[in-house]
Order: sequence, then structure tokens, then C-alpha cells
Amino acid sequence: NAGVMQNPRHLVRRRGQEARLRCSPMKGHSHVYWYRQLPEEGLKFMVYLQKENIIDESGMPKERFSAEFPKEGPSILRIQQVVRGDSAAYFCASSPLTGHSSTDTQYFGPGTRLTVL
Amino acid sequence: KNEVEQSPQNLTAQEGEFITINCSYSVGISALHWLQQHPGGGIVSLFMLSSGKKKHGRLIATINIQEKHSSLHITASHPRDSAVYICAVRLDSNYQLIWGAGTKLIIKP
Repeated sequence: NAGVMQNPRHLVRRRGQEARLRCSPMKGHSHVYWYRQLPEEGLKFMVYLQKENIIDESGMPKERFSAEFPKEGPSILRIQQVVRGDSAAYFCASSPLTGHSSTDTQYFGPGTRLTVL
Repeated sequence: KNEVEQSPQNLTAQEGEFITINCSYSVGISALHWLQQHPGGGIVSLFMLSSGKKKHGRLIATINIQEKHSSLHITASHPRDSAVYICAVRLDSNYQLIWGAGTKLIIKP
């Protein structure tokens, strides 16, 4: 059973370009979380999605960032018109249950390192 | 004041030493996670606790809900244990994880 997969592992973009980060959850998992880790900082929650639904995007910057988790295919975190401050590691995690259960756990992908030149 | 505090921030020890990393939190939680982040950046979930104690190999995690405190112990530490260890709590009220700043552990041979 493959773990959470993220691609690309490394992404380089110039200012103003778009970045698309993909996350394939573990088989059987229908809940996806995106986190961002800025250099020398801890991880911060961005968004929580179920299939075809955004449940909580309270951690997403108001502009340029969007996320989706379609019925088929991976979850996508999209950053439009990237700026240098977007350079970070973006981690995806998946879980099989509601996310509200105290016995639930999140399984992390290897992350995508975004560098904006 | 951060809702999740870890100590120490940095820890250097010799191979074989017993390691303790502490995590204190100030919010109501439903579960606490310990995670490991290697220099390459990948994150591995080590434990999820809601009470008591868990053990996996040389790793032991404990939590005291009343005192809002958890510890991660590593017995017979090894250089390959060198990593950043992160404590994260899941709030009572929702599914979000609130992260500690991490403890950078270096084990010298």
C-alpha cells in the first residue's frame, strides 16, 4: 500500500508564474490536508479537503492560493503569480476517517519544495 | 505565548544516551502527535496519543492530560536518530493540528 505521494518533489518557478502541487492520498483515504513550512519555521495548516469539497480553508492566504480535491485524481494546491515569499516546503497529509475522531491520524507525504526565483 | 511549547529547542548528545524531549500545551486537545523530520525534510508520524504511553522500538511517548504535557524518549540513541522532532496537538474542537517549533536533535557517534 503506497504512502501519500506528492509531486513534484522540487519545483522552481520565477516570480509571476504559476505553481501546481499534487498530492495523491493513501489508498482508501478521502481526506486531505495541506501544510506549509516556511524556512526555519514550523508547519502551518492551510486547508482541509474531502473529495469535491473544501471543508476548511482558514489557513489559506486570501489571494493567489487555491486547492481542490476532485472526485478522480490527486488533490491540487495551486499558487498563482508566485512571489519569493511563497518559497517553502508544502506538505500534504491524508487520513481515512472524518478528521474529528480522536483515534484518527494523518499520514504525511514527502513534501514539495517550492523555490521562487 | 505559543499554544504548543517544546523543549529543548536544540539537543546534542552522545551515542547511547537516553534522550527526553518535552511538549507542553495550553489548549484542550483530543490527541497529540509526535513526528520526525529528517534533514531532507520528509515527515514521519511517530506516535499519536490521547492518553497514557506508547512504545515503538527504542521510542517511548507519554502524555499526562491533566498536566497538559507529553514527553518523547529515545533509549540507546544512535546517530541515525538525528532529526527534528515535532509535537503537534489536535484541538478538542476540530481536526487542525497546532505545531510546536520542533526540537533539533543531534546524536554524535
